[in-house]
Amino acid sequence: QQQVRQSPQSLTVWEGETAILNCSYENSAFDYFPWYQQFPGEGPALLISILSVSDKKEDGRFTIFFNKREKKLSLHIADSQPGDSATYFCAASKAGNYKYVFGAGTRLKVIA
Amino acid sequence: NAGVIQTPRHKVTGKGQEATLWCEPISGHSAVFWYRQTIVQGLEFLTYFRNQAPIDDSGMPKERFSAQMPNQSHSTLKIQSTQPQDSAVYLCASSFQRGEVFFGKGTRLTVV
Repeated sequence: QQQVRQSPQSLTVWEGETAILNCSYENSAFDYFPWYQQFPGEGPALLISILSVSDKKEDGRFTIFFNKREKKLSLHIADSQPGDSATYFCAASKAGNYKYVFGAGTRLKVIA
Repeated sequence: NAGVIQTPRHKVTGKGQEATLWCEPISGHSAVFWYRQTIVQGLEFLTYFRNQAPIDDSGMPKERFSAQMPNQSHSTLKIQSTQPQDSAVYLCASSFQRGEVFFGKGTRLTVV
């Protein structure tokens, strides 16, 4: 059972565009959602996260939009840069819980 | 802060041999996690220690996998009688209490 789903599997955008990465989940008990960025040969690195009590979280060019009713969230990367080319993972857990359930990832490519 | 250190970065073992993977968490972090990453299954939780005590090993294959944390500065993941399906990137992560989870760069295990 895939509890966290991501779409699209891969995404290509031009430099300067906004990339939109989608995530949905099944377990209504999840209330903490971190997004991780991973470059080839590296471990995942926390990019931005949100608690389910919020519907939006911004950090620079990165924004999470969260819809608790629909169990959906999205990561918007504004003014995309070639250096943003990486795989992005949506994860979910119960707040204060140690165990993350990860989505399959979205591979983003930003073309200059 | 060198981050979470994993050694070796790459390991090749013959089918049926034993593999031991090492992790040095970030100093002061009380929680240590092991995840496994494959193309097919994605990122999967294996096990978790808090203050060196094993808390949850629900993700560990029961028969051949074991993890230990003999002191606060390192943890090991041991795979006995390795099989080709064990080939994966094994990621160690640590966090301070219930804070941000930092991942290491992983050990790529190849079983031939």
